Amino acid sequence: NAGVTQTPKFRVLKTGQSMTLLCAQDMNHEYMYWYRQDPGMGLRLIHYSVGEGTTAKGEVPDGYNVSRLKKQNFLLGLESAAPSQTSVYFCASSYKGGFYNEQFFGPGTRLTVL
Amino acid sequence: GQNIDQPTEMTATEGAIVQINCTYQTSGFNGLFWYQQHAGEAPTFLSYNVLDGLEEKGRFSSFLSRSKGYSYLLLKELQMKDSASYLCAVIRGSTLGRLYFGRGTQLTVWP
Repeated sequence: NAGVTQTPKFRVLKTGQSMTLLCAQDMNHEYMYWYRQDPGMGLRLIHYSVGEGTTAKGEVPDGYNVSRLKKQNFLLGLESAAPSQTSVYFCASSYKGGFYNEQFFGPGTRLTVL
Repeated sequence: GQNIDQPTEMTATEGAIVQINCTYQTSGFNGLFWYQQHAGEAPTFLSYNVLDGLEEKGRFSSFLSRSKGYSYLLLKELQMKDSASYLCAVIRGSTLGRLYFGRGTQLTVWP
């Protein structure tokens, strides 16, 4: 099993450009999450999904959109990138939500917006 | 909101014992996770506590006191490879699996 994979691993954008980050998991997990990690800020939840076709906002959703058309994939979109979105983005998945369902993280996407 | 506090940095020497504390204030508390994150890598699961007490797993142990809103991660027989960031995260029963992370504690192990 590959676990959680993310594409791409690195990306540099110019302000105003758009892009989509892809997360895929092969563990048949119901729940998927997108986080961003900035120095000194810890992991912050952007959006999450509790099943195919569902999405919900997390702590810092502004400037991002997501889609979960297939159970194994969770896409994060930036419509008009801003320098404030320079960050490391982690995708995670868990079998279910609630207690005792650990989240498995992907390797991360390092995004720089110039 | 959730207030989750942990020290920013800690240092220790190889072979020693270190305790990383985490305090939290949250409603609907339903468990606490510890994750380890090496520089440039993804977080990986270390432990989960939902009941008061100590959970031991090899060189790592995690303790929880729900009444005090307090947890700690205890690392014994430190090795150089234990140099990493340790993330405390709480889960609330009302939010369907969402984790709320602290800012992480950067542990450096010296030879």
